[in-house]
Amino acid sequence: GNSVTQMEGPVTLSEEAFLTINCTYTATGYPSLFWYVQYPGEGLQLLLKATKADDKGSNKGFEATYRKETTSFHLEKGSVQVSDSAVYFCALELTGNQFYFGTGTSLTVIP
Amino acid sequence: NAGVMQNPRHLVRRRGQEARLRCSPMKGHSHVYWYRQLPEEGLKFMVYLQKENIIDESGMPKERFSAEFPKEGPSILRIQQVVRGDSAAYFCASSQYRGEETQYFGPGTRLLVL
Repeated sequence: GNSVTQMEGPVTLSEEAFLTINCTYTATGYPSLFWYVQYPGEGLQLLLKATKADDKGSNKGFEATYRKETTSFHLEKGSVQVSDSAVYFCALELTGNQFYFGTGTSLTVIP
Repeated sequence: NAGVMQNPRHLVRRRGQEARLRCSPMKGHSHVYWYRQLPEEGLKFMVYLQKENIIDESGMPKERFSAEFPKEGPSILRIQQVVRGDSAAYFCASSQYRGEETQYFGPGTRLLVL
């Protein structure tokens, strides 16, 4: 079946630390991969995406590379800020209709 | 351009009551998706609708749950005879085209069943 497995949280980092949130997937076809971010009290916002193997998605200093050989799409940021505190969801999409989400990883950045 | 609107943001119901959740997609979007986020879990797809049509309801529980997206007005997710296990955050997303990869999410409705 199709599923997404995310690194469990919560994750707490100091400001300017390096961030990695692991995400691996299983899929029956060739999915597009996404990272969504959910700030407190808000809906999910698309952070970045990659549609095929070796593509790199990037936005706001975050990056993730679509690795078909390891079925992974790890999220990274070189220097986190307090404003990055949120819940991050990894997701895959196959049919154009249906997304499969991971359980979310809560990130807290402390000054 | 307003984003996806959902209301109410919070809804409290007693067991056996009905819950109605509303979703207004982004302007120009005619495709709506509903997701449920149970505590400590990721979002799970429930149903995909286009105006006046249910396209995919493979994630909807077979009983008590229904969804519609009429020609005019918001999409409605209806839960009849709610039980405590229905307590969750329900998110709506919309897209402009069928098969469009990017879905835009609303802020969610948090349903609490007492």
